[in-house]
Amino acid sequence: KNQVEQSPQSLIILEGKNCTLQCNYTVSPFSNLRWYKQDTGRGPVSLTIMTFSENTKSNGRYTATLDADTKQSSLHITASQLSDSASYICVVSKAAGNKLTFGGGTRVLVKP
Amino acid sequence: DAGITQSPRHKVTETGTPVTLRCHQTENHRYMYWYRQDPGHGLRLIHYSYGVKDTDKGEVSDGYSVSRSKTEDFLLTLESATSSQTSVYFCAISESILDTQYFGPGTRLTVL
Repeated sequence: KNQVEQSPQSLIILEGKNCTLQCNYTVSPFSNLRWYKQDTGRGPVSLTIMTFSENTKSNGRYTATLDADTKQSSLHITASQLSDSASYICVVSKAAGNKLTFGGGTRVLVKP
Repeated sequence: DAGITQSPRHKVTETGTPVTLRCHQTENHRYMYWYRQDPGHGLRLIHYSYGVKDTDKGEVSDGYSVSRSKTEDFLLTLESATSSQTSVYFCAISESILDTQYFGPGTRLTVL
C-alpha cells in the first residue's frame, strides 16, 4: 500500500531555533516529492518539489532533502519565525498516472 | 491563492439534502481537483478534471459527483449529504498532471 508517514505529529520550538521534520514513504514507483505549508484556515502552498535525481532543494529558510534509496525526506527550517507556525505536508507522487499521496502533516508552533 | 476562489466558504446543511460547492479559477489551468481534509487523514482526492467535460474519480469518490462545463469552473455535488461528509473541501488546479498544484482557500461543510 502506498503510504506517506510524517513525524513528529507536532512540535513546539522557540523563535530563532532550527527544526527538522521527517517524511517516510512507501510509494512506488516514485516520481517526485513535494513539501507544502498550510496555514490555519487556508489551503496548502507549495514550498519545494524534488525528483528522483535531486537530493536537496532550498526555498529561503526551508531546505528539503531526499534520499530515494531509503525513501526518506526531511524539511529543515532555519532560524524559525512566528510566521512559520503552520502544518507542513509531505506529498509523494507516483509515476504512471502521477497519483499523489499526502502525509498527515506535522503541526509546527513557533513561540516567542 | 493563485487565482482560485471557492464558494461558499462555510456551509451548514442537513442530512439528505443536496449540496453543490463551486471552484472558480482565473489561471486557465487545464487540471482541476477536489480534495477533502479530515483530522487524522491527509488530503484525499475525490474527483479531478483534465479538461472541459473530462473528469475521473479519485480515491474517495462515493457519494460525490462533479461537472466541468467551462475551463474556469469545477463543481462538486453531494447528491444526498451525510454526516460522514462533514469536512473541509479544497479545490486545486495545475497546468499539467506533473506540475505543482495550487490550492484554493477551502470550504468548511458541516452536515447535521
